[in-house]
Amino acid sequence: GNSVTQMEGPVTLSEEAFLTINCTYTATGYPSLFWYVQYPGEGLQLLLKATKADDKGSNKGFEATYRKETTSFHLEKGSVQVSDSAVYFCALKDSGAGSYQLTFGKGTKLSVIP
Amino acid sequence: DSGVTQTPKHLITATGQRVTLRCSPRSGDLSVYWYQQSLDQGLQFLIQYYNGEERAKGNILERFSAQQFPDLHSELNLSSLELGDSALYFCASSIGTSPASDTQYFGPGTRLTVL
Repeated sequence: GNSVTQMEGPVTLSEEAFLTINCTYTATGYPSLFWYVQYPGEGLQLLLKATKADDKGSNKGFEATYRKETTSFHLEKGSVQVSDSAVYFCALKDSGAGSYQLTFGKGTKLSVIP
Repeated sequence: DSGVTQTPKHLITATGQRVTLRCSPRSGDLSVYWYQQSLDQGLQFLIQYYNGEERAKGNILERFSAQQFPDLHSELNLSSLELGDSALYFCASSIGTSPASDTQYFGPGTRLTVL
């Protein structure tokens, strides 16, 4: 079956530090990949997505590249801000199999300190 | 604001009771999804509806049921509640016409506490 593995958190960084959150996946088909962010007390917001190999998703300074050879979709940001403190979820959708449902990783909590 | 609304925001009830969670999708979206977020299980897909019809089922218990109405809003019914049903329940919506290009937008969630 499909699965997503994210690096264990929590992650604590100082403001302006470089961020990497690792995400690897297992899928039977050719999935679409997503990063969602959940700010404290709020719902999930789509951060970025990539639908095929070598695609790069980007938004708000965050980037992730769909690497089929390593089955990875690592999230990066060059300089984090306090406002980036949230829980980040990597997810896949096995759209190649005609599926719409999202399979999520367990989430990585990021805390950015001034 | 994603455009997906969920009510109520919080729900506190007792074991054995039944509750109904409501979701209104974004304007123009035909598909509605329900997810459960708990500390031990993480985020899990429960069920999907498209234009009033059930399209896919995930890890949904038999005590749980859902439906999508002609105006496209959806309700998730949880019965014979147990302590372990305490969780955050999210609704998401999407256009639902093409898996490859489809993007789900999530509501703020309903936090259910079973005492």
